[in-house]
Amino acid sequence: DVKVTQSSRYLVKRTGEKVFLECVQDMDHENMFWYRQDPGLGLRLIYFSYDVKMKEKGDIPEGYSVSREKKERFSLILESASTNQTSMYLCASSFFPGQGEAFFGQGTRLTVV
Amino acid sequence: GESVGLHLPTLSVQEGDNSIINCAYSNSASDYFIWYKQESGKGPQFIIDIRSNMDKRQGQRVTVLLNKTVKHLSLQIAATQPGDSAVYFCAEDNQAGTALIFGKGTTLSVSS
Repeated sequence: DVKVTQSSRYLVKRTGEKVFLECVQDMDHENMFWYRQDPGLGLRLIYFSYDVKMKEKGDIPEGYSVSREKKERFSLILESASTNQTSMYLCASSFFPGQGEAFFGQGTRLTVV
Repeated sequence: GESVGLHLPTLSVQEGDNSIINCAYSNSASDYFIWYKQESGKGPQFIIDIRSNMDKRQGQRVTVLLNKTVKHLSLQIAATQPGDSAVYFCAEDNQAGTALIFGKGTTLSVSS
């Protein structure tokens, strides 16, 4: 059974903190993605990566960075968390980026106070 | 710009009815389209996909229709069941073909 695992289901952080969201996939996919999901806005692409140490900005990269040191792991970093980054964060991986199914993790509900 | 939208944020149906969820897309060059179902507390799960060289594709109780002329995508669910209650998202490939761009989602509620 294929799996994308996000390290936390729920996180509460303070404004200004540096926050790390971790994602691991066991499917040997080269492509990994971070989306955020907000009511009425759907899923919006933050960053994606098509290879180790490679990254591409999505539609809303401001305030975020990413790290891909190993093929199976893709981290989303909030350099200085703000309340408008309170959201559901979804990690995904795929074999064919944009041309095939992306497999999603369970999501991390982040609250910034 | 690139955007994928859904016509209705919510849809309520009776058990046993057929459901139709609609989606409009703006990028006429998109080659790949996909529908996801997201149940409460879970990540989105794949339902069905279709490429731009097709008009229709059928799965188990689901059918996706693609009308490229009006840039419209629809998901039909036959004999809707309470377990079909979820948020449904359509998505298309971005212009570079490197990622999926999602619509805003339609919440389907099935009453028995």
